[in-house]
Amino acid sequence: DADVTQTPRNRITKTGKRIMLECSQTKGHDRMYWYRQDPGLGLRLIYYSFDVKDINKGEISDGYSVSRQAQAKFSLSLESAIPNQTALYFCATSDPAGRRSTGELFFGEGSRLTVL
Amino acid sequence: QKEVEQDPGPLSVPEGAIVSLNCTYSNSAFQYFMWYRQYSRKGPELLMYTYSSGNKEDGRFTAQVDKSSKYISLFIRDSQPSDSATYLCAMSFIQGAQKLVFGQGTRLTINP
Repeated sequence: DADVTQTPRNRITKTGKRIMLECSQTKGHDRMYWYRQDPGLGLRLIYYSFDVKDINKGEISDGYSVSRQAQAKFSLSLESAIPNQTALYFCATSDPAGRRSTGELFFGEGSRLTVL
Repeated sequence: QKEVEQDPGPLSVPEGAIVSLNCTYSNSAFQYFMWYRQYSRKGPELLMYTYSSGNKEDGRFTAQVDKSSKYISLFIRDSQPSDSATYLCAMSFIQGAQKLVFGQGTRLTINP
């Protein structure tokens, strides 16, 4: 089983709809992240959370919100989806005490979202 | 100008070739440098990690950092078809992943 699980893996929706992408992890890490990946733009950070009570905006948080329901669960919501939010979304975790504590992210397999 | 620039490719080479993947950056404060590998339909995974300048070798992979030129490289020796993937450079000026800046990624194909 994957250590970082994202659902759904694929989703097609229409402009204006509310969408939630869910992430759960079994790695026991406190830190969780949401990224989006676009061709030619690489990975960009949307939100991150260092624990259940700590939520922080990333580089591109406008139009998104998150919820950290538990140490192992971190959800990303698009309140009113728009076509330029069509992208591949990744959840990731990190362990600040890990052997390669700087920069080692453990990614899920991604959620492909298409907004028509 | 992007903080981190990476040639998106695609790059196609024959099996056994030496591959060189590169990134340039503009922020002289970056001191933690990483290479991630991403297979098709998968999330990225950390391949190499380097702090500050110098070289680091791991099997067929060598990561090189030249802070004076703001340039990092990943070399793959004796390339294999299983090395076909997208390679993303990433860097940060602080410990922790929350300030990690990624390059655009280079798609690499190794032809048998």
